[in-house]
Amino acid sequence: LAKTTQPISMDSYEGQEVNITCSHNNIATNDYITWYQQFPSQGPRFIIQGYKTKVTNEVASLFIPADRKSSTLSLPRVSLSDTAVYYCLVDSGTGRRALTFGSGTRLQVQP
Amino acid sequence: SAVISQKPSRDICQRGTSLTIQCQVDSQVTMMFWYRQQPGQSLTLIATANQGSEATYESGFVIDKFPISRPNLTFSTLTVSNMSPEDSSIYLCSDSPRGRVTYGYTFGSGTRLTVV
Repeated sequence: LAKTTQPISMDSYEGQEVNITCSHNNIATNDYITWYQQFPSQGPRFIIQGYKTKVTNEVASLFIPADRKSSTLSLPRVSLSDTAVYYCLVDSGTGRRALTFGSGTRLQVQP
Repeated sequence: SAVISQKPSRDICQRGTSLTIQCQVDSQVTMMFWYRQQPGQSLTLIATANQGSEATYESGFVIDKFPISRPNLTFSTLTVSNMSPEDSSIYLCSDSPRGRVTYGYTFGSGTRLTVV
């Protein structure tokens, strides 16, 4: 399984754009890149998934370069409620095996 | 995406006793997964639960300590047996997504276990 590396923590202010970069050098051809968000006392929640180039949904954007060895989660105009831990995962997308969680990035948004 | 109801949300238990955690999914899923999350730490997979077969445990977790049941495609339980304070943690279940283009895995809200 591909291992991911991301910053342990990040700080931001309300209204700013936050970019969290994840490294996954050993990603396999069939793997997808997926990001989850976890608030205290809750289970992780799916944010976005992509294979290559750029994916955007109502919550975030995911940028994946051509070599797919890294990815960047972009959160536009964060608010206090975006304070959470963000996990980058590499997943086969088949649902046949459990997710492997790395350490995650603890994002603290301040007023 | 699916909805998973996990119970209990928290419990305080005496050492030496057992606690069974339940997860109910709102639709049928092939596999369910059980994780443990120490405070401030990431999630660690305990086991994979398939319906109709024995659960598959990860290294460091054994069936006698964490027996799992999967009686049907919408339900699973994890029991933490003969508990000690070291078992104090958050336990979470998740489903398996349906198909390649997915909305990811859905997680229960977790069970915060404190062993005293």
